[in-house]
Amino acid sequence: EAGVAQSPRYKIIEKRQSVAFWCNPISGHATLYWYQQILGQGPKLLIQFQNNGVVDDSQLPKDRFSAERLKGVDSTLKIQPAKLEDSAVYLCASTLIPREKLFFGSGTQLSVL
Amino acid sequence: AQKITQTQPGMFVQEKEAVTLDCTYDTSDQSYGLFWYKQPSSGEMIFLIYQGSYDEQNATEGRYSLNFQKARKSANLVISASQLGDSAMYFCAMREDTGRRALTFGSGTRLQVQP
Repeated sequence: EAGVAQSPRYKIIEKRQSVAFWCNPISGHATLYWYQQILGQGPKLLIQFQNNGVVDDSQLPKDRFSAERLKGVDSTLKIQPAKLEDSAVYLCASTLIPREKLFFGSGTQLSVL
Repeated sequence: AQKITQTQPGMFVQEKEAVTLDCTYDTSDQSYGLFWYKQPSSGEMIFLIYQGSYDEQNATEGRYSLNFQKARKSANLVISASQLGDSAMYFCAMREDTGRRALTFGSGTRLQVQP
């Protein structure tokens, strides 16, 4: 069974530029999450999707971050414009039903210079 | 308020010995789940063990066991017979069954296994 796929693996941009991350969850997993993990901290939820609908985006900085999950499968997370404090690893996770354990992708490491 | 507290930023253990990683949580929900994940230096998050709030027995998965003390709101991870490959960050997480249902993570404990 294929795992959660994320790309790119690494991204370096300058502040005020835009960037996009892509995630393809495990086939059939209805719930998809984006987490932000700043160095030395635990992952923090940015947004949760159930199929193509948003369940929770209360911690998403909506002035600069946006996410979509068209057709309820893969998802894109965008930052525009990026700030220095956005430097982090962005983790995508999926699960069949919310009560189950999360399966994580390898993450995208973003450096904002 | 912190939902998940991991008070040990770093721990050392000798190879083949057991180690306990502490986790306390805060919730008013009666139904919730507790998870432990391992994050090696490569960055992926690896699921280790799960304990449901209504589970009466402590969860075990191979060399991992979860010491669940509901009244004290603690969910400590015990790793028996440590191996060099156990060196990693370990995160405790909680899912509350009302509301969001997404996992809330602690700040992690870095475990270093010494030969």
